[in-house]
Amino acid sequence: DTGVSQNPRHKITKRGQNVTFRCDPISEHNRLYWYRQTLGQGPEFLTYFQNEAQLEKSRLLSDRFSAERPKGSFSTLEIQRTEQGDSAMYLCASSLDVQGDQPQHFGDGTRLSIL
Amino acid sequence: RKEVEQDPGPFNVPEGATVAFNCTYSNSASQSFFWYRQDCRKEPKLLMSVYSSGNEDGRFTAQLNRASQYISLLIRDSKLSDSATYLCVGQRGGGYQKVTFGIGTKLQVIP
Repeated sequence: DTGVSQNPRHKITKRGQNVTFRCDPISEHNRLYWYRQTLGQGPEFLTYFQNEAQLEKSRLLSDRFSAERPKGSFSTLEIQRTEQGDSAMYLCASSLDVQGDQPQHFGDGTRLSIL
Repeated sequence: RKEVEQDPGPFNVPEGATVAFNCTYSNSASQSFFWYRQDCRKEPKLLMSVYSSGNEDGRFTAQLNRASQYISLLIRDSKLSDSATYLCVGQRGGGYQKVTFGIGTKLQVIP
């Protein structure tokens, strides 16, 4: 399967713990996005990478959140000192950087539950 | 006002019916539009792009009206398997391609 891959699929942790998620985009895609989705809402943009450069961050991304894409391939999203409000589905998407607007392709997501 | 607005539904329609969803957008900088389908507790999957000239893919027809700033999706001969949430997406052009999702419209096709 050459689609976007995310792991873990599910993460349950206690409030205050740190968690890290990984995303492997489609191999030829140099654009990578992170979103958060809660029940009954559409995905909300968190951050965007073009290759290894993080070009945009949403105001939703507090200082407890950090994302990296060190070699321009896979990306990690870390949440420090988790809070119950962080419980959500975290989605990663990737797209091609070519002329014309390209749709994004999503991974299965990581479902985070904070106890 | 949200940048992309959709009626969350649910739309309950009998099998075989035709159903249409509309979506409005407020940011004229949005250049590209897409419909995504999302099944319960799954990731969004691209359904189709939306072009000003209108485009069709089997039972699905998408339309974009830039003057009125709305996008539509028409589903003919609804199948039970069409039951899902349909997300309207506006995407800006240029280097960033910021994407904004609507809240999604829930469709339930009833036997």
